[in-house]
This record gives sequence, structure tokens and C-alpha cells, in this order.
Amino acid sequence: EIVMTQSPAILSVSPGERATLSCRASQGVSNNFAWYQQKPGQAPRLLIYGASTRATGVPARFSGSASGTEFTLTISSLQSEDLALYHCQQYTDWPPMYTFGQGTKLEI
Amino acid sequence: EVQLVQSGAEVKKPGESLKISCKVSGYSFTNYRIHWVRQVPGKGLEWMGIIHPGETDTRYSPSFDGQVTISADKSVTTTYLQWRSLKASDTAIYYCARSMEHALEAPIDYWGQGTLVTVSS
Repeated sequence: EIVMTQSPAILSVSPGERATLSCRASQGVSNNFAWYQQKPGQAPRLLIYGASTRATGVPARFSGSASGTEFTLTISSLQSEDLALYHCQQYTDWPPMYTFGQGTKLEI
Repeated sequence: EVQLVQSGAEVKKPGESLKISCKVSGYSFTNYRIHWVRQVPGKGLEWMGIIHPGETDTRYSPSFDGQVTISADKSVTTTYLQWRSLKASDTAIYYCARSMEHALEAPIDYWGQGTLVTVSS
């Protein structure tokens, strides 16, 4: 089973600053990787899939990148509405296991 | 407009059975897989299983295999998550969610609003 490890658990950033969130897979997942944003009291929302493709309607300040088994979500200029719990997910394992990381809480 | 609308919050006692639902609309129900995901409030997401309503193909996470049953009814475009005997540790929010593509290796693009299940004596 592939394990996804997110860091840090909590990230405190000021408005206008850059935020960098990381996720490491325990083995290769190719680019079958996604980031989700979950605001308080809401369901998750797809931000990034294929490691670097923004989902429909996602602002350009959100970007995703990958290097081997390390994945990064960058928010270039943080806004107050970006306060949320961010989850990473791999969707490549067989038999299908759509493993999530434990989440990173972004505090503004 | 794609919509996944889940049934309301439930309060149950340990040992009781439960079936929650997820009614979809706005797309062809039999063409996209539906996931079920668990979240203890304030914690991370746990993937439980997936069903293909058109092929009745169902797969489970080893952590949930044998603990829950996922099913679908094409006539009412609804998927279900069922327990035969609830435990206090089943207390969580449960989400249904749609796969973006027909392929198994696809992210989730639409989510239901979640169903809070509370199990307490």
C-alpha cells in the first residue's frame, strides 16, 4: 500500500506571502496525483490533478509540481480565503487504492 | 449541473444498522465511478471504496472491506453506503464523490455535501 506523507501538519503564513505545501509518496505514483482544498464546514474541492494541472475555476496563484515521489503545492500570494485544510491524494495503486495524505492546515 | 446530494445526518446506537444515500444528477450516472470517503471531523480523508454504477463493479479499501457495503440503484441514480452493525468508531462525516473520468486512475472532481453519522450509546 502506498503511503502519502504531508508536511508540515500546520503552516502559518501572512496574506500576500508564498505558501509551499509538500507531499511525499512512499513509492512512485507517476503523475496520478491530486491536491484538494477543504474550507471549514465544506466538502473538499479539486485544485490540482495530474500533479500540475489546475482544475476548472482554480485561480492561477495555485500551482502544482512534482519531482520523483515529492509533490509540491505552491500558493504564490496568499489570500485570506485560502485558509483551509489541504489534502494530497494518489490514484495509481492497483488494486485501486486512492490514498490520501493526513492533510496540511493552512493558517493565515 | 453535476450534483451529488446526500441524505441527512444520522444518530445511531452501537450495533444498529444504517444505510445512507447519495443521489446524483446532471450527468450520465452509469458512465462515472462513485467513491465513498470518510472523515473524522478535523482530521484527514480516508478512502473507503468505489463503485461503477454501469458495471456494478465495486472495490473496497482493505481497511473497510467487510465492514461496509457500497451499492447503486440505476433506476433512481443513487449510490448507497451501508453498515450491518455500527460501532462508536464509525462516527464521522461520509462523503460520496465522482471520479473525473471513466478510467480507474482518475481524480475526484465532484463531491457530495457529506453525511454526519454519530454512533453513541
